[in-house]
Amino acid sequence: EPEVTQTPSHQVTQMGQEVILRCVPISNHLYFYWYRQILGQKVEFLVSFYNNEISEKSEIFDDQFSVERPDGSNFTLKIRSTKLEDSAMYFCGVRRNLNTEAFFGQGTRLTVV
Amino acid sequence: ELKVEQNPLFLSMQEGKNYTIYCNYSTTSDRLYWYRQDPGKSLESLFVLLSNGAVKQEGRLMASLDTKARLSTLHITAAVHDLSATYFCAVDIRSSNYQLIWGAGTKLIIKP
Repeated sequence: EPEVTQTPSHQVTQMGQEVILRCVPISNHLYFYWYRQILGQKVEFLVSFYNNEISEKSEIFDDQFSVERPDGSNFTLKIRSTKLEDSAMYFCGVRRNLNTEAFFGQGTRLTVV
Repeated sequence: ELKVEQNPLFLSMQEGKNYTIYCNYSTTSDRLYWYRQDPGKSLESLFVLLSNGAVKQEGRLMASLDTKARLSTLHITAAVHDLSATYFCAVDIRSSNYQLIWGAGTKLIIKP
């Protein structure tokens, strides 16, 4: 069983539309992350989430982005008004504790047209 | 600004050969991770290196960490085609709530 599952696997959206990317970890993970990878480029940190609040966010994570874990299970990333440059693969990462590696979901490929 | 630099960024090699990928980082950290990514796929954890001098081996891959030199290596022994992938190193940053900072990746192509 994978440590974390992401949905959808691929989403195409028009510029300006809102998207919600979902991440469902198996239990007993305490740390949650979103990263993105523009095609062929390096992996970039977006945000970390611990104890039901954002613990760190990057410059990329501006006011158009938000995260929440409303039911203690799903961890979501919302982009309110998508831009063309938001097109990327988005990975959700989870960690049980800070002495273990991060496990990643299979990613959501977001295409903004 | 923290930098994590991998080299080479691209490596094409023949099966059966040995080679090493290098990962340098610019700030204090004693936690380093190696991941593998196949095209269009997720990031698969390979090695967790949590202390100076740590060495881990799995099959034809061996990773090591020298925290004093701020250097990690991923050594490939007698490469086989199935090892073709992009390999990333990532460093934990305690001062930033343990977010991972990633190298640019090394695209490895192993020719039969």
